[in-house]
Parts: sequence; C-alpha cells; structure tokens
Amino acid sequence: GESVGLHLPTLSVQEGDNSIINCAYSNSASDYFIWYKQESGKGPQFIIDIRSNMDKRQGQRVTVLLNKTVKHLSLQIAATQPGDSAVYFCAENIYGGRRADGLTFGKGTHLIIQP
Amino acid sequence: DAGVTQSPTHLIKTRGQHVTLRCSPISGHKSVSWYQQVLGQGPQFIFQYYEKEERGRGNFPDRFSARQFPNYSSELNVNALLLGDSALYLCASSFQGAVQPQHFGDGTRLSIL
Repeated sequence: GESVGLHLPTLSVQEGDNSIINCAYSNSASDYFIWYKQESGKGPQFIIDIRSNMDKRQGQRVTVLLNKTVKHLSLQIAATQPGDSAVYFCAENIYGGRRADGLTFGKGTHLIIQP
Repeated sequence: DAGVTQSPTHLIKTRGQHVTLRCSPISGHKSVSWYQQVLGQGPQFIFQYYEKEERGRGNFPDRFSARQFPNYSSELNVNALLLGDSALYLCASSFQGAVQPQHFGDGTRLSIL
C-alpha cells in the first residue's frame, strides 16, 4: 500500500505485505530527515534518519528514500507485522546549523495492519 | 541504559495555575528539547537547550519557559494555564544540540479543567 502522509492519514495493509508511507516536506533548506513511530500512549520512537547527501538508507526491515528535487520522503516497511501498527511521523531539520529551531513534524500517518 | 524519563506522567490543573514538568535525558546527552503534541497532530517545537543555554525557541508565548541544570536535566514551566494548553508534553534528548537524532520520552499528559 502507499499513502501520502499529509493527505491520507490512515493506511491499511495486510500482514506480511510491504508498506510505503510518504511525506512531503516544505523547507528546501532542510537537510536532515527522521522517521518516528508513535504507539498509543507513548512518545515518538526513532526509526531511521537520512541526510540530504544520501537518497536512500536501509535499516532492519525499513528503508527511507529521499527525493530532494520534489521534496519528498518515504518510509518503506518490509513484511509488515502487527507490531508495526502505529502513527508514523516524518520530521525535518537543518543538520549542524546554527539555527536550532527543533524538528518540524508532518501530520502523521496511521498504519493499520489487517490480519 | 535508561531512556529519556519524564515526570509526572499525568497532571490535571485548572485555568490560571502554573505547572512544572521535568525531564531527565539519556545518560551522556547534553541537549534537551521540549515539544507540545495536541491530540491528532505531530509534536510542535517549544525549546531546545544545550549545555544549559537556550539554543532555540518555537512559536510559543512567554508563559512558557524552561531551563537546563548542570546535570543536563530540564524543567518546562507554563504559567497562567489556558484550556488550550491541554496536550502531551514531550521531552527529547540528543548528544549535541544540532546533531540529531533526538530520542523522546513518553511525555507528560497535561489536562486543564
């Protein structure tokens, strides 16, 4: 399944399928991007990050893709499991900059895993 | 190793009161940031502190203030509470101020009556 994080807040996928969560960012000066997973009643949990000098980075079962030309970020989760059910947020910032205005978060996508 | 710890976990206040929220960063982390998360939205940046100095401030009124102590723990203070201040307040720590990633605690749920 595929979603645009800012325009389709819920993504439903079958257990075992791959999930793709998309995010459009607005600040062309942003050069550092993070994906967080937030389960109900908990704080955001770091999943994976990527700097703008890369266009792809892989972790365990997750891959982040960055397209700076169109200011688009995606998170791919392989073989989705019930434990992946959560709200996923993308966040952006300027890496190593003197300005410290914190992370800017997207609105989030609620990933629901169907058995 | 312990993650970011926040206290209290839940708090109920009435309008006009003030509140102090506390955060202990991950051991070795020198930077603490505070975020406000309203139900159904992503966290919004309030403050960042690094080495006990304020390094960044989000678009929040002066009723919000914070400080960082020599042991790198931090407090967020909110005065003259409004109903709209009801939210989950998240603390995040990172090793250095401008070097990510930030790791979050589970937050303090503040309810204003």
